[in-house]
Amino acid sequence: EIVLTQSPGTLSLSPGERATLSCRASQSVSSSYLAWYQQKPGQAPRLLIYGAVSRASGIPDRFSGIGSGTDFTLTISRLEPEDFAVYYCQQYGSSPRSFGQGTKLEIK
Amino acid sequence: EVQLLESGGDLIQPGGSLRLSCAASGFTFSSYAMGWVRQAPGKGLEWVSGITASGSSTYDADSVKGRFTISRDNSMNTLYLQMNSLRAEDTAVYYCAKGHNWQHYFDYWGQGTLVTVSS
Repeated sequence: EIVLTQSPGTLSLSPGERATLSCRASQSVSSSYLAWYQQKPGQAPRLLIYGAVSRASGIPDRFSGIGSGTDFTLTISRLEPEDFAVYYCQQYGSSPRSFGQGTKLEIK
Repeated sequence: EVQLLESGGDLIQPGGSLRLSCAASGFTFSSYAMGWVRQAPGKGLEWVSGITASGSSTYDADSVKGRFTISRDNSMNTLYLQMNSLRAEDTAVYYCAKGHNWQHYFDYWGQGTLVTVSS
């Protein structure tokens, strides 16, 4: 089973700043089959990025993903107030699929 | 508009069984992989089970293997999760989610149904 470790656990930033979230896999993620999700309190997750680098439909271009193998990064170029939430990575290249434990992005 | 509506969540005693359903609409259900993801209170997301578009292959997390069974009825546009031998640690909101084509990442999610396992 591939274990995904996200860091940091909590990230405190101000609107307008740049956010960098990390997701590290215990084994190589085949074909860069890695997705990122955003979840706000009381809501279902929302897909942001798939295939490590492709933005999902309707996702603003301030969200970008990069990475391959075992190291992946989600970057939010300029934080908007609505971006403060919890972010999860998920690998879907091998079974069982798995999620990281999440990074909470909070307002500083 | 894609809609996923879960039902079947309840308070159930340890060792009991429950079946969750997810009614899908707004897309060609039989063309997409589907899955269940759960979230324990105050915790992160946990992938539970996935199923291919035809239903011919299923995939389960180690934590539920042998106890939970995912299935689908493409004629009824409905996804199911049969949960047996329930434990306290199965307490969670269970989300139904639509795969992107044949892939097991999820582009649409339901609002979830709460399963509470307690005596």
